[in-house]
Amino acid sequence: GQNIDQPTEMTATEGAIVQINCTYQTSGFNGLFWYQQHAGEAPTFLSYNVLDGLEEKGRFSSFLSRSKGYSYLLLKELQMKDSASYLCAAPLRDDKIIFGKGTRLHILP
Amino acid sequence: NAGVTQTPKFQVLKTGQSMTLQCAQDMNHEYMSWYRQDPGMGLRLIHYSVGAGITDQGEVPNGYNVSRSTTEDFPLRLLSAAPSQTSVYFCASSTAGTGYGTEAFFGQGTRLTVV
Repeated sequence: GQNIDQPTEMTATEGAIVQINCTYQTSGFNGLFWYQQHAGEAPTFLSYNVLDGLEEKGRFSSFLSRSKGYSYLLLKELQMKDSASYLCAAPLRDDKIIFGKGTRLHILP
Repeated sequence: NAGVTQTPKFQVLKTGQSMTLQCAQDMNHEYMSWYRQDPGMGLRLIHYSVGAGITDQGEVPNGYNVSRSTTEDFPLRLLSAAPSQTSVYFCASSTAGTGYGTEAFFGQGTRLTVV
């Protein structure tokens, strides 16, 4: 079956670094997305990984290991505005997609 | 550019009523999709379309119909509303299907309550 797991909630301190993990089990592999969603708002795209390794984009980086079915999102120099839910998603065959339940990140001053 | 526009933003329906959630995009995107988001459940794909005239079912299609007569519009119809359809609905569009890794742009959502 298809499945994505990520922690429900995490808490970190302003200025620190946090890593949000995502494990997936899908038939076939078509890459992995990360989206950010602030409370009451629409999701917005952060990254897409299809090859193993780390991709850096400013304060945010995303890592993928296809052999382990594992990805993480790394957020550096945390700011209060980073308080949001982070959604991991895996494309499936036939242009479908499955999302994880999201990780709610709380940033403390 | 307006991006992806969803209407209405809020709606209350009585059980058994029908309604259409509107979604329009002005980016000439081929791929459009509808999701529902429930607390603790994440986003779940309802229906999707890879181009005008083509639609297919996602993970939770029961109770919903879609059509795609133009590239721009992708309405979602609730045939006979049930309390289990109380949710937040998001429409999204992208240049290509999910397997191409293209960024999806989401509308602002419709909060639907069925009483």
